[in-house]
Amino acid sequence: GDSVTQMEGPVTLSEEAFLTINCTYTATGYPSLFWYVQYPGEGLQLLLKATKADDKGSNKGFEATYRKETTSFHLEKGSVQVSDSAVYFCALYQSGGSYIPTFGRGTSLIVHP
Amino acid sequence: DVKVTQSSRYLVKRTGEKVFLECVQDMDHENMFWYRQDPGLGLRLIYFSYDVKMKEKGDIPEGYSVSREKKERFSLILESASTNQTSMYLCASNKGVAEAFFGQGTRLTVV
Repeated sequence: GDSVTQMEGPVTLSEEAFLTINCTYTATGYPSLFWYVQYPGEGLQLLLKATKADDKGSNKGFEATYRKETTSFHLEKGSVQVSDSAVYFCALYQSGGSYIPTFGRGTSLIVHP
Repeated sequence: DVKVTQSSRYLVKRTGEKVFLECVQDMDHENMFWYRQDPGLGLRLIYFSYDVKMKEKGDIPEGYSVSREKKERFSLILESASTNQTSMYLCASNKGVAEAFFGQGTRLTVV
């Protein structure tokens, strides 16, 4: 079946550091890929998405590129802020398949001033 | 603004009680989901509904049931609450295979 693997956390960075959170997936066909963010005590919010190979999703300074050749969708940000501290989830949806999205386990990001 | 609303942010219930968690969405979405979130375990799917009165078991349905009598409302029922059901519960909805929208979560404590 489909699966999503994220790097283990927590990821701890100083403010203005460069962020990468790795995400790789296993799926047949051409899934859509998503990054969600969960701030403390809240539900998940969509951060960005990409629906086909080589698409780049971007939002709030975060970016991720859909790489079919490496089955990856790594999340990056050039300069993190304390307010970016949250849990980040990578997810995929298989078009033409199950209606159920597949989520990674989440990666906690802690940004220090 | 699209919205998924869960009826409570925090709940404290006693062991053995019947507990209802309510979720309402205003986006006319066919699909609705109930997840449970625990530290180190990520999101685990409890139940899923793709239409009114239709439901499918997820990964951890034991001890739970669901009800979907109207398209906009999806209820999670703990038939007899136990302490191991203390957790964060998240409701979500979507249309087709588009992105899911989540509620704010209900933190349930069973004492």
